Amino acid sequence: QKEVEQNSGPLSVPEGAIASLNCTYSDRGSQSFFWYRQYSGKSPELIMSIYSNGDKEDGRFTAQLNKASQYVSLLIRDSQPSDSATYLCAVKWAGGYQKVTFGTGTKLQVIP
Amino acid sequence: DGGITQSPKYLFRKEGQNVTLSCEQNLNHDAMYWYRQDPGQGLRLIYYSQIVNDFQKGDIAEGYSVSREKKESFPLTVTSAQKNPTAFYLCASSILARGSGDTQYFGPGTRLTVL
Repeated sequence: QKEVEQNSGPLSVPEGAIASLNCTYSDRGSQSFFWYRQYSGKSPELIMSIYSNGDKEDGRFTAQLNKASQYVSLLIRDSQPSDSATYLCAVKWAGGYQKVTFGTGTKLQVIP
Repeated sequence: DGGITQSPKYLFRKEGQNVTLSCEQNLNHDAMYWYRQDPGQGLRLIYYSQIVNDFQKGDIAEGYSVSREKKESFPLTVTSAQKNPTAFYLCASSILARGSGDTQYFGPGTRLTVL
């Protein structure tokens, strides 16, 4: 059973701080990694995808991938109250069809 | 505007009743997916389809059925055999790509409640 693990939180950070969200996965052969943001009662929306080791930056968001350690993280700089949501980590497994497994999500609370 | 639409937004089902959830996309994506989300849980795959007239069971297909008669449409039927159908149902689509580049995009979801 391929697994994606996230700390459920809530993770509380003050406004303006850096929020760090972590995700570990079980399959070393995993190819693609995604971070989604989900507001309460809404559907997930893609924040970032990352495929290679290292960092990928997009505005206030940075995704970090370390395949050797099997973890992927999301950093949110200058956190805003509007960033308060649940963040889902998703991993696409190697081989077969486009199977993606989602973590249970980390709830982030940004305190004004 | 390109996107994925789901209807209805809210759906109420009586015991023993079949209901169908609609999912339509105009993104020209090949693959479509149905997920179920329960409170505090991750998304669980019900069914997926990579091409028209073909679909595969996901991890929790029992009590559900789908069809894929058109590329744009992938309706999900929740049958009376599904004993605990109350959940948030999400439809997604993606292009088909080897390796990376196959991001899934989600519709707004349908919240199903059993009365």
